[in-house]
Amino acid sequence: AQSVAQPEDQVNVAEGNPLTVKCTYSVSGNPYLFWYVQYPNRGLQFLLKYITGDNLVKGSYGFEAEFNKSQTSFHLKKPSALVSDSALYFCAVSPANAGNNRKLIWGLGTSLAVNP
Amino acid sequence: KAGVTQTPRYLIKTRGQQVTLSCSPISGHRSVSWYQQTPGQGLQFLFEYFSETQRNKGNFPGRFSGRQFSNSRSEMNVSTLELGDSALYLCASSRTSGGAEDTQYFGPGTRLTVL
Repeated sequence: AQSVAQPEDQVNVAEGNPLTVKCTYSVSGNPYLFWYVQYPNRGLQFLLKYITGDNLVKGSYGFEAEFNKSQTSFHLKKPSALVSDSALYFCAVSPANAGNNRKLIWGLGTSLAVNP
Repeated sequence: KAGVTQTPRYLIKTRGQQVTLSCSPISGHRSVSWYQQTPGQGLQFLFEYFSETQRNKGNFPGRFSGRQFSNSRSEMNVSTLELGDSALYLCASSRTSGGAEDTQYFGPGTRLTVL
């Protein structure tokens, strides 16, 4: 079965330190990979996506993510965390062979807390 | 460019009632998807519409239905509400017909509480 795992329910990091939010996936074929962020009482905001090409993808608000095909991972990173980065982060995967029958497979989310 | 808008933002209903939620996509976006978000289940896909046609459907009972209008605005309806329907309902729009690489942009959601 196709799935996305975010192995950590919560990540705590001190402001100014680097942060990593992990995502691993299991899909058939080549995947398209997405990261979204959700602030309290808000919808999801798109951060970045990997379609093809360079394994390091840069996105909004200083975030980046690295696609690792051999480890089937797409971890979200930021060199220096801000308190305002505290939010819920979702990883999503779409099998590239889905064509027009897009089925985004979502992780359960990771709550990031950045402490001042 | 205005983002995805959803109305109403909050709803309180009682069991057995029905509810209609509305979503207006980003201008020029023709695909609208609906999701149910709950703390324990995460995001669950309900259905996707493109050009007034349902293209994909998730594993929800027939009490959940939707439609899309010619201006791409979409509504979803839940009939005979149950306590378990309490959730944040999210609408997302995308530019094309649901290609796998297309980015979805989300609205703020409608918080439905069923008493």
